[in-house]
Amino acid sequence: KAGVTQTPRYLIKTRGQQVTLSCSPISGHRSVSWYQQTPGQGLQFLFEYFSETQRNKGNFPGRFSGRQFSNSRSEMNVSTLELGDSALYLCASSYRDFRRGEQYFGPGTRLTVT
Amino acid sequence: GNSVTQMEGPVTLSEEAFLTINCTYTATGYPSLFWYVQYPGEGLQLLLKATKADDKGSNKGFEATYRKETTSFHLEKGSVQVSDSAVYFCAFSWGKLQFGAGTQVVVTP
Repeated sequence: KAGVTQTPRYLIKTRGQQVTLSCSPISGHRSVSWYQQTPGQGLQFLFEYFSETQRNKGNFPGRFSGRQFSNSRSEMNVSTLELGDSALYLCASSYRDFRRGEQYFGPGTRLTVT
Repeated sequence: GNSVTQMEGPVTLSEEAFLTINCTYTATGYPSLFWYVQYPGEGLQLLLKATKADDKGSNKGFEATYRKETTSFHLEKGSVQVSDSAVYFCAFSWGKLQFGAGTQVVVTP
């Protein structure tokens, strides 16, 4: 079974721009979660989608948004990029409730904001 | 509020040494507990889990026991290998999945 894939793997953007990251979950998984990983803040939960609905949300500003399509693929969008948005963005999928912890992570998208 | 605290790294060990990474949590109720591992350049992988008090999770020679009385879930391995070099994250789920800061482990030959 193919794992979680994320595209692109690396991205360089300029402050003020916007960016869209994509995540394809494991086939059959309906829950997709997004995390931001930085050296200073560690792993922080952004949001979780299940069957095209946002089910949980972390403490991030409204510049961070996401969506999920009918095939469970998910996208995350960050508008008006700031230098502090530079991070590794990880996507994780699970078959059912992500809080059970059995999530499968993708390799991440490394975003650099200059 | 709810939080996870794990020992700071890096932890540097020689091959075949004993590894312990401490993890304690603060949460209302009895969350499920997990250890994830992140190898260089990769995403996180679930290493082991425990869903109730006194449960022992084990995988790839790693073990951790859910200790309700001390609210701890320490990770142990009796004999580490160079391939165990990675960052290890303790996490618990109670409303959402919350991760510790991660502990880098470096195993030298």
